[in-house]
Amino acid sequence: SQQGEEDPQALSIQEGENATMNCSYKTSINNLQWYRQNSGRGLVHLILIRSNEREKHSGRLRVTLDTSKKSSSLLITASRAADTASYFCAYGETSGSRLTFGEGTQLTVNP
Amino acid sequence: EAGVTQSPTHLIKTRGQQATLRCSPISGHTSVYWYQQALGLGLQFLLWYDEGEERNRGNFPPRFSGRQFPNYSSELNVNALELEDSALYLCASSLAGYREETQYFGPGTRLLVL
Repeated sequence: SQQGEEDPQALSIQEGENATMNCSYKTSINNLQWYRQNSGRGLVHLILIRSNEREKHSGRLRVTLDTSKKSSSLLITASRAADTASYFCAYGETSGSRLTFGEGTQLTVNP
Repeated sequence: EAGVTQSPTHLIKTRGQQATLRCSPISGHTSVYWYQQALGLGLQFLLWYDEGEERNRGNFPPRFSGRQFPNYSSELNVNALELEDSALYLCASSLAGYREETQYFGPGTRLLVL
């Protein structure tokens, strides 16, 4: 399968703790994006990192990309109950603009 | 600015029928993408339209088809519905797709095939 892999599949933490999710992929990419999905609704775009970037920040989010290992991580700092959702990585391959999604990590932040 | 809109929000059909799903992209976006999110199968790329033409197609049978209109809105048609077509269908839009722009997603249409 060309689908990306994410781990862990599920993560449960307390409010205030940090959450780290990892994503691995198999092909060459132009960019990697992270999305959030609440309860089977639409996807909300969080952050995009390009293949020539190594780290990017947006508010409480920090994304890293290691193209030599074909992996990325998403760190959410000082988590809140409202961060409870499924998080997906998605990457655009060099051969087109379709996104290939990872399997997702279900994050639960307990108040 | 309005986001990506999809209609209907829910759709119930029976096996063998046809389903039509609609998507309106963000104003100024010319690329529209369709994805299927079925239980246990994750998010799968279906179709990509840009400037009225089909640019790329995922690994789905021909009974999944669509089109993009001059105003860049799009329609996804699923013919001869099968039970396994039950899924959340997500539409996304972006600026010119060839520049790997961020894709913005709509709320989805949940299709149930009985």
